[in-house]
Amino acid sequence: GENVEQHPSTLSVQEGDSAVIKCTYSDSASNYFPWYKQELGKGPQLIIDIRSNVGEKKDQRIAVTLNKTAKHFSLHITETQPEDSAVYFCASGGSGGSYIPTFGRGTSLIVHP
Amino acid sequence: SAVISQKPSRDICQRGTSLTIQCQVDSQVTMMFWYRQQPGQSLTLIATANQGSEATYESGFVIDKFPISRPNLTFSTLTVSNMSPEDSSIYLCSVDPSGSGETQYFGPGTRLLVL
Repeated sequence: GENVEQHPSTLSVQEGDSAVIKCTYSDSASNYFPWYKQELGKGPQLIIDIRSNVGEKKDQRIAVTLNKTAKHFSLHITETQPEDSAVYFCASGGSGGSYIPTFGRGTSLIVHP
Repeated sequence: SAVISQKPSRDICQRGTSLTIQCQVDSQVTMMFWYRQQPGQSLTLIATANQGSEATYESGFVIDKFPISRPNLTFSTLTVSNMSPEDSSIYLCSVDPSGSGETQYFGPGTRLLVL
């Protein structure tokens, strides 16, 4: 089955800095890559996603990039703010007859004011 | 998207007892999913619950331990049976309104502590 590796497990930045979270996946047939943000005491919320026919997607301060050849994708957050502090999960899906995504282990992002 | 609520939001239980978690969605959906999130860990799919059929369990999860009901298109329950401290986790309900399972919309979770 699919295997998703996510790094780093913890990321600490100063407010205004950029943050980058990286994920790799194993199944070359995967074609859908969502990112989720989980704030303390809440369920994960979809923040952005990308499909395999697109190399980059941007939504205000967040962007995702995908390199299908290398089987890795990244989340970029610019001009970080304290409210960006949360756990971020990457996921990979859309292959093998089941569309249910496989999740990474999560990155705890801490933005210091 | 969909609005999902779960009950209870948290509970502290004694080992050997059972807890039933409820999940309510604001729209009719074909597929509902139950996940477990252990402390500091990722999201692990327990089972997929389709209305009118038996739930499909992932490897490592069995119906006797995690029975699931899906009486209609907006509601599901997950029971954690004969609990042990290892069952202490966050249990999350999710749906995908598109029906494919690709994009998961999660509820707020049920935080369970077993003593």
